[in-house]
Amino acid sequence: QQQVKQSPQSLIVQKGGISIINCAYENTAFDYFPWYQQFPGKGPALLIAIRPDVSEKKEGRFTISFNKSAKQFSLHIMDSQPGDSATYFCAPLGNQFYFGTGTSLTVIP
Amino acid sequence: ETGVTQSPTHLIKTRGQQVTLRCSSQSGHNTVSWYQQALGQGPQFIFQYYREEENGRGNFPPRFSGLQFPNYSSELNVNALELDDSALYLCASSPGGADSYNEQFFGPGTRLTVL
Repeated sequence: QQQVKQSPQSLIVQKGGISIINCAYENTAFDYFPWYQQFPGKGPALLIAIRPDVSEKKEGRFTISFNKSAKQFSLHIMDSQPGDSATYFCAPLGNQFYFGTGTSLTVIP
Repeated sequence: ETGVTQSPTHLIKTRGQQVTLRCSSQSGHNTVSWYQQALGQGPQFIFQYYREEENGRGNFPPRFSGLQFPNYSSELNVNALELDDSALYLCASSPGGADSYNEQFFGPGTRLTVL
């Protein structure tokens, strides 16, 4: 079920830089667009989410940009920190959550 | 407030055996979902339970079954284990009713290895 395509697969960013992760989807019935963060040995944790009636949501250093016509949404991490090093998943919601394949982010001090 | 807990942490089984994984939901949460996460992949939805009834199922065969108990804890049972069943199994609980897929809180998972 390739309903969600996430890119890039891995990302290396310098401390203080901007990390950008993208998610493209096919199902127009999706109505909730979250990003999850997962550290090794832990379950995913909700980071930030957006509804389709807004184009952008910002929470601290984390921003979701949503483009409904292009069926894409992205996660921007400003001022990236070594503690942000983790795997990130987009997981749009239809009748279930459809997780992307994940992006491994490494922030170099 | 206690978070979602899962047991056991790790498990090794052989092909053809059966396994039961357990999950205690976060306090006040009546909905539990189970996911399979293969190495290097995103979690895949297995099924969800709400008030002891199955409420949605992903693309998994019937040998994957579950239960939810009156205290909202849950079990995932897998029969006739196959090598491809080796994965991290995640449980997620959420508050609210049967339509509440939002605000899922994940446990740390059970790592199942099938030899």
